Amino acid sequence: SAVISQKPSRDICQRGTSLTIQCQVDSQVTMMFWYRQQPGQSLTLIATANQGSEATYESGFVIDKFPISRPNLTFSTLTVSNMSPEDSSIYLCSVGWGYNEQFFGPGTRLTVL
Amino acid sequence: RKEVEQDPGPFNVPEGATVAFNCTYSNSASQSFFWYRQDCRKEPKLLMSVYSSGNEDGRFTAQLNRASQYISLLIRDSKLSDSATYLCVVNAPAGGKLIFGQGTELSVKP
Repeated sequence: SAVISQKPSRDICQRGTSLTIQCQVDSQVTMMFWYRQQPGQSLTLIATANQGSEATYESGFVIDKFPISRPNLTFSTLTVSNMSPEDSSIYLCSVGWGYNEQFFGPGTRLTVL
Repeated sequence: RKEVEQDPGPFNVPEGATVAFNCTYSNSASQSFFWYRQDCRKEPKLLMSVYSSGNEDGRFTAQLNRASQYISLLIRDSKLSDSATYLCVVNAPAGGKLIFGQGTELSVKP
């Protein structure tokens, strides 16, 4: 497994602003992912963060709205841009090695007013 | 059809009960299967991986039936601390991403 931290743990933001969430891992990992969990729902994959190249987005998610960086094998950021109340959610990063299990960070609880 | 479907909950059981969760998946090419546990306002945590031969970890037993594309989790001698949402998770055949079921909530009562 790995120790994963996320910053911030929570935030309350105004409509139209952007928030960048950081994910830090204590060891090098092959794969990093970003998920969203809306209230009362299960997890939905936003994108796979690729080291040194553009992220791979899932259907319904676009780079302009959720730009992602992954400058190295232990760190990634997700930005939620031009936020609206519908973006209120928990955002989680996860890490994995190949096609095996993934381990999740503690999440960032975002409220957009 | 959803890619991963679970029993709708919630399950309310007394301490000491045996409870079983069921899950089906749609992509027959899926290779890896997991059960995660998510406590309220926490991140999902891996409970156990599921292997073709079935596997057991203490009070927890997971089974996989590839022919029926069916996964199960059995919890014996339920404890209050087992109360959580249990997520059936399947690894997509390509790309390494995980696909989550909607979760089944378990509440164990004294």
